[in-house]
Amino acid sequence: GAVVSQHPSRVICKSGTSVKIECRSLDFQATTMFWYRQFPKKSLMLMATSNEGSKATYEQGVEKDKFLINHASLTLSTLTVTSAHPEDSSFYICSARRASTDYNEQFFGPGTRLTVL
Amino acid sequence: GQNIDQPTEMTATEGAIVQINCTYQTSGFNGLFWYQQHAGEAPTFLSYNVLDGLEEKGRFSSFLSRSKGYSYLLLKELQMKDSASYLCAALDSNYQLIWGAGTKLIIKP
Repeated sequence: GAVVSQHPSRVICKSGTSVKIECRSLDFQATTMFWYRQFPKKSLMLMATSNEGSKATYEQGVEKDKFLINHASLTLSTLTVTSAHPEDSSFYICSARRASTDYNEQFFGPGTRLTVL
Repeated sequence: GQNIDQPTEMTATEGAIVQINCTYQTSGFNGLFWYQQHAGEAPTFLSYNVLDGLEEKGRFSSFLSRSKGYSYLLLKELQMKDSASYLCAALDSNYQLIWGAGTKLIIKP
């Protein structure tokens, strides 16, 4: 159990377009979902934390108008990169915290590699 | 501030043992995680410690000392597939994961 999927796994888009990434917990309900960004050879950088039915909490330096997060249900969160630019190219990873877990373990999706031309 | 320190890179030989250290400073503490991450893939869970002591799970063991703000991941009988980055992450008082930069482990034949 505790599988998290992400779609798409890879996307290439033109500068100025918007890209939506979906994160789903397939076999559990996630009270909280997290969105991370990872640059090559760097660790994960938390972008935002989202709880179902409420607004996401963004980390300092992350533009909320550029990275729109919607956590519509206990199994789905979406990240939309609006008006993408080449500097937004990165590996985006979501994770979900299971509602019943004893120790708040986060289960990671497989990641989405975004390339903006 | 909150900080996690771990070595940037380590090299070990196939079949040997390697210990990856991690020190942490966080606002409150609710446990420490170790994750394995292969290049181009998302992290996968290895271990969780919240009490002092050693947790053994097959070839991998993880140790925690809360008083010292210190943890280590011990990998035994190293295999080539263990070549990966190992991420140390501490859970702070807000149940937020604070991530280390990761230790790249290189296994040589």
